[in-house]
Amino acid sequence: GQQLNQSPQSMFIQEGEDVSMNCTSSSIFNTWLWYKQDPGEGPVLLIALYKAGELTSNGRLTAQFGITRKDSFLNISASIPSDVGIYFCAGPKTGANNLFFGTGTRLTVIP
Amino acid sequence: DAGVIQSPRHEVTEMGQEVTLRCKPISGHNSLFWYRQTMMRGLELLIYFNNNVPIDDSGMPEDRFSAKMPNASFSTLKIQPSEPRDSAVYFCASSLRSGGPEQGNTIYFGEGSWLTVV
Repeated sequence: GQQLNQSPQSMFIQEGEDVSMNCTSSSIFNTWLWYKQDPGEGPVLLIALYKAGELTSNGRLTAQFGITRKDSFLNISASIPSDVGIYFCAGPKTGANNLFFGTGTRLTVIP
Repeated sequence: DAGVIQSPRHEVTEMGQEVTLRCKPISGHNSLFWYRQTMMRGLELLIYFNNNVPIDDSGMPEDRFSAKMPNASFSTLKIQPSEPRDSAVYFCASSLRSGGPEQGNTIYFGEGSWLTVV
């Protein structure tokens, strides 16, 4: 089946630092999504990417859809303590509206 | 507006007992999803419904799991009998339409039901 692998698996950074994480797939996706899961909560959509090569920003977050449509990265600039959580990439199952989720990157921000 | 509402938030039960998890999707949403999250397997789709009809239940682990959606505002996920390996966080989610995210269709998650089977 389709697999979405994220790296790194976890990150410990100082407040104010920039963060970069990425997601790779064994197959092509036509849409990439980035979700964040706060501790004890459900995932919340951060950014959606619809075209290969697309670069999209949402505040301090920037995400890009890889040209090959098999990868994506998410950057967070000037991290703050509330950025703590697990970041998931996700892509839709072909012809359906359910999602495959990546393995997740757990971010810890040290004040 | 209320989001996806799940109950119970936490449940601890003994092996062999029946567990019923409940979900109220966002009002007006036509698609409902049940996901399970574990450390080993991450977030995986169990089943989803469009207009109260189950569309894909290939993720349901085994016959001990069943899900129903008797109307547009309520769904249940039942485990009978429960086993320790069923311990996980179970998320219900909903989306407005049955189309994919490329159509601007966003899936919204509830806060999850944390299940521990001892």
